Amino acid sequence: DSGVTQTPKHLITATGQRVTLRCSPRSGDLSVYWYQQSLDQGLQFLIQYYNGEERAKGNILERFSAQQFPDLHSELNLSSLELGDSALYFCASSVEVGTSGYNEQFFGPGTRLTVL
Amino acid sequence: DQQVKQNSPSLSVQEGRISILNCDYTNSMFDYFLWYKKYPAEGPTFLISISSIKDKNEDGRFTVFLNKSAKHLSLHIVPSQPGDSAVYFCAAILMDSNYQLIWGAGTKLIIKP
Repeated sequence: DSGVTQTPKHLITATGQRVTLRCSPRSGDLSVYWYQQSLDQGLQFLIQYYNGEERAKGNILERFSAQQFPDLHSELNLSSLELGDSALYFCASSVEVGTSGYNEQFFGPGTRLTVL
Repeated sequence: DQQVKQNSPSLSVQEGRISILNCDYTNSMFDYFLWYKKYPAEGPTFLISISSIKDKNEDGRFTVFLNKSAKHLSLHIVPSQPGDSAVYFCAAILMDSNYQLIWGAGTKLIIKP
């Protein structure tokens, strides 16, 4: 158990709809990352938040948005859903900079989104 | 543009033998390389890392080798065990880009009894 929780585990919805994915980071971690993994692909970085502020943006569509709340949990909002948005969405958390010189990211179990 | 590539989608190895997973990269400025392991229905878990200034790092049965001139790294697992069956991801970090991880597509390792 990584200490990162994600809800829901599975989500099935229709095209055009909007969904919200939730992530609670490990206790003490200030950074939250969102990733998308489509079938047989690597993880695509979407966005990072640090202590409530957006820190870095990756390949995130304009239809997607995220935020990190004062209690450090984060939500990823996906709107106007398309069939191609079906994927696994992972959340990860980390300290800002670990003693190893880089931030080891701890991943949640993911949310599987199916758009029909 | 795929900066980190894992060209073998899958690899099958006999239990007890050596598993070698390969990863190529294009950006010579990467600072760290990491290997993550992923079981079905779980998130990736960190396995081992190597700094770009090293050429080898060992942790128990796992050793990562870095060949900077070839822009290639490999993960060796010796001896391979059934519990090693998983998808292995190679990832790279550019510290200047807020430590973002850039991921390969993964290699599915199957350990045969």
